[in-house]
Amino acid sequence: NAGVMQNPRHLVRRRGQEARLRCSPMKGHSHVYWYRQLPEEGLKFMVYLQKENIIDESGMPKERFSAEFPKEGPSILRIQQVVRGDSAAYFCASSRSTGNTEAFFGQGTRLTVV
Amino acid sequence: AQTVTQSQPEMSVQEAETVTLSCTYDTSESDYYLFWYKQPPSRQMILVIRQEAYKQQNATENRFSVNFQKAAKSFSLKISDSQLGDAAMYFCAYRNTNQAGTALIFGKGTTLSVSS
Repeated sequence: NAGVMQNPRHLVRRRGQEARLRCSPMKGHSHVYWYRQLPEEGLKFMVYLQKENIIDESGMPKERFSAEFPKEGPSILRIQQVVRGDSAAYFCASSRSTGNTEAFFGQGTRLTVV
Repeated sequence: AQTVTQSQPEMSVQEAETVTLSCTYDTSESDYYLFWYKQPPSRQMILVIRQEAYKQQNATENRFSVNFQKAAKSFSLKISDSQLGDAAMYFCAYRNTNQAGTALIFGKGTTLSVSS
């Protein structure tokens, strides 16, 4: 049973370009969370999605950031017109159901904006 | 809003010795979960140990144990017989249990170095 798969592991974008980060949850998991980790910081919650629905996006910046989790395929975190401050590690976690179940993390995508 | 505080940015320990990492949190909830995650240089977040707030008994996983003081809102991690492979960033995290899809709230982490 493969774990949570994120790709790419490393992504370099120039200022103003778009970044697309992908997350395939573990088999049987229908809940996905995205977190951002700035240098020397802990992970900060961004958004929580179920299949085809955004449930909680309270941690997501209001502009340039969007997320989706379509019926088929991976969850996508999209950052438009990237700026240097977007440079961070972005982690995805998935869980089988809500409540008292463990969330499993992917290895993250390191985004560098140059 | 809930917060998690790790007051030790860095800690060091010698192989085979014991080290304790501190964590305090703030919440008005009575039922919640607390976690310790390990993040080695590979960046993979690895769950080390989990504690349910309604359980008074401290959780233990092999060489890892916690000291959970609910009244003091303290949740420290003790690593016994430290090994070189324990060197990593350690994050304390909190999660409500009563809200569907509630995210984890992390502290800023403690970098643990292990010397031989």
